[in-house]
Amino acid sequence: GQQLNQSPQSMFIQEGEDVSMNCTSSSIFNTWLWYKQEPGEGPVLLIALYKAGELTSNGRLTAQFGITRKDSFLNISASIPSDVGIYFCAGKGTSGTYKYIFGTGTRLKVLA
Amino acid sequence: NAGVTQTPKFQVLKTGQSMTLQCAQDMNHEYMSWYRQDPGMGLRLIHYSVGAGITDQGEVPNGYNVSRSTTEDFPLRLLSAAPSQTSVYFCASSYRLVLGGGHTDTQYFGPGTRLTVL
Repeated sequence: GQQLNQSPQSMFIQEGEDVSMNCTSSSIFNTWLWYKQEPGEGPVLLIALYKAGELTSNGRLTAQFGITRKDSFLNISASIPSDVGIYFCAGKGTSGTYKYIFGTGTRLKVLA
Repeated sequence: NAGVTQTPKFQVLKTGQSMTLQCAQDMNHEYMSWYRQDPGMGLRLIHYSVGAGITDQGEVPNGYNVSRSTTEDFPLRLLSAAPSQTSVYFCASSYRLVLGGGHTDTQYFGPGTRLTVL
């Protein structure tokens, strides 16, 4: 089935560093969602984006809906140990479609 | 609000057994869906519902049935469990957000059910 290309697959960073990850698709989306999943838990919604070019923040997290509508970016500033987890993007196409497509995730590990 | 709840949290089945995974939400969301999560595969949509009495297939529906008799509940049935159905199952619900000229929706997930089929 179709999946988004999410990169990087994993990353180790030092505490205090900024983190960037992105998702790209061959299809145009009208909604992008970013989730964080911790071990043994369900994905938790971090940021929702509904419009091309939109830039939305949630604390130290900032996400952008790409102008082409085929990509989205998530940045985490000044990472801390509790940022550890897997970050997923999810996209949805035309408004008549309910089906979300998920990226394969970016596994983040923060070194104190 | 409890949000999206799922039961059981863990389940072990033998090949050929049947069971139902329960999902409930108390947010009066129209949309509900079931996903499975396998290592390195992200989340894949099994079935979804856009309202009580309406269901449709997702990406990987074979071997699963669903029904939506109420807004709150969306059970997933495994008719004859197979080892390939060993996975973590997540239920999600969402509300419709009306935007200028259209609409979209935002999904919230339950904690998951970890299923092993021997």
